[in-house]
Amino acid sequence: DADVTQTPRNRITKTGKRIMLECSQTKGHDRMYWYRQDPGLGLRLIYYSFDVKDINKGEISDGYSVSRQAQAKFSLSLESAIPNQTALYFCATSDLFVGELFFGEGSRLTVL
Amino acid sequence: GDSVTQMEGPVTLSEEAFLTINCTYTATGYPSLFWYVQYPGEGLQLLLKATKADDKGSNKGFEATYRKETTSFHLEKGSVQVSDSAVYFCALSAPAFGNEKLTFGTGTRLTIIP
Repeated sequence: DADVTQTPRNRITKTGKRIMLECSQTKGHDRMYWYRQDPGLGLRLIYYSFDVKDINKGEISDGYSVSRQAQAKFSLSLESAIPNQTALYFCATSDLFVGELFFGEGSRLTVL
Repeated sequence: GDSVTQMEGPVTLSEEAFLTINCTYTATGYPSLFWYVQYPGEGLQLLLKATKADDKGSNKGFEATYRKETTSFHLEKGSVQVSDSAVYFCALSAPAFGNEKLTFGTGTRLTIIP
């Protein structure tokens, strides 16, 4: 089983719908991250969390929210999806020092 | 702010060719530098890293040297294989001022043909 698991792996939805992407990890790491990947733009940080009580905005947090339900779980929500949120979303974890991130396999979201 | 610039792709090479993917950075303080690789259908994984000037990171035949004078961290491999086909991302972490997160470049897609 993967150390960082994302669900769903693929999702097609319509504009205005609420979507939740879930991430769970078995690595025992405190730090968790959500990135989105777009062609030609690389990875951009949406939100990150250094522990259950700590949530921080990344560079592109508008239109997104997160919930850190437990050390092992970090969910990303789109309250009202729009087409330009179509992207590949990655959850990642890290140990104390930010350097080696461990990524999930990604969740491909298409908003029609 | 911190930023990473890497060479545009896609890059197509023949098997056993020499590979260089350029990466330069702008950062405050003394960043750590990384190369990540993304194989088709997978998430990113760390390929190598260097945490201070003149350090050389290496893994799986790939190497990169942290050059502070030229603010560069170019990725090299002497003889590429078809299995090296992937997208490669340069990244930096600049923990000064509490900025403890990775900044990624845009990625370079590499295709190796037999």
